[in-house]
Amino acid sequence: EVQLVQSGAEVKKPGESLKISCKGSGYNFPKYWIGWVRQMPGKGLEWMGIVYPDDSDTRYSPSFRGQVTISADKTINTAYLQWNSLKASDTAIYYCARGSLSQLDYWGQGTLVTVSS
Amino acid sequence: SSELTQDPAVSVALGQTVRITCQGDSLRRYNVSWYLQKPGQAPVFVMYGENIRPSGIPDRVSGSSSGNTASLTITGAQAEDEADYYCKSRDSSGNHVVFGGGTKLTVL
Repeated sequence: EVQLVQSGAEVKKPGESLKISCKGSGYNFPKYWIGWVRQMPGKGLEWMGIVYPDDSDTRYSPSFRGQVTISADKTINTAYLQWNSLKASDTAIYYCARGSLSQLDYWGQGTLVTVSS
Repeated sequence: SSELTQDPAVSVALGQTVRITCQGDSLRRYNVSWYLQKPGQAPVFVMYGENIRPSGIPDRVSGSSSGNTASLTITGAQAEDEADYYCKSRDSSGNHVVFGGGTKLTVL
């Protein structure tokens, strides 16, 4: 069974750093892209970027390039989304999903990130 | 604003047919995928391109495309179909991915 399990909810202060994770199981993790999607409170889905774990090829949405870092460690079947300096506007649920630029077929349960002073 | 446009809300009577649309110039060149999301839950992949359904999605859900418009059609709508529906495809450059703004489907 394909599963993506994300790390737990986080509460951070503005300016702090954060790295959240997404662990895949039940399939050949290195050979499938992992995408990250943001959903701000009460809003729609936003594409952030995607990483291919086998060679760490990474593509960013123009809206998120320079704001976050997407990475993966194929040795432990885990993808990451990282911030160096959080802002209140980063408060959102972040989803990882397996797939490609065309489709995302399996999704993680989401990680709620709350940034508040 | 998104390069893919969806109606914010659509309603359908129980058992009737509803079409959810997604418009964008990039759809003339690139396939669309569809996702539903129920409150408090992660999105679920329901359709790719013209009628490629993942396992577990009933065949009363179908996809189609014409010109700059892609459609997700639900035949015989059920209460459990009530959800937010999002389309996803490439932007006009083809280099990036975009989601539509989402359509809230209400089953009356």
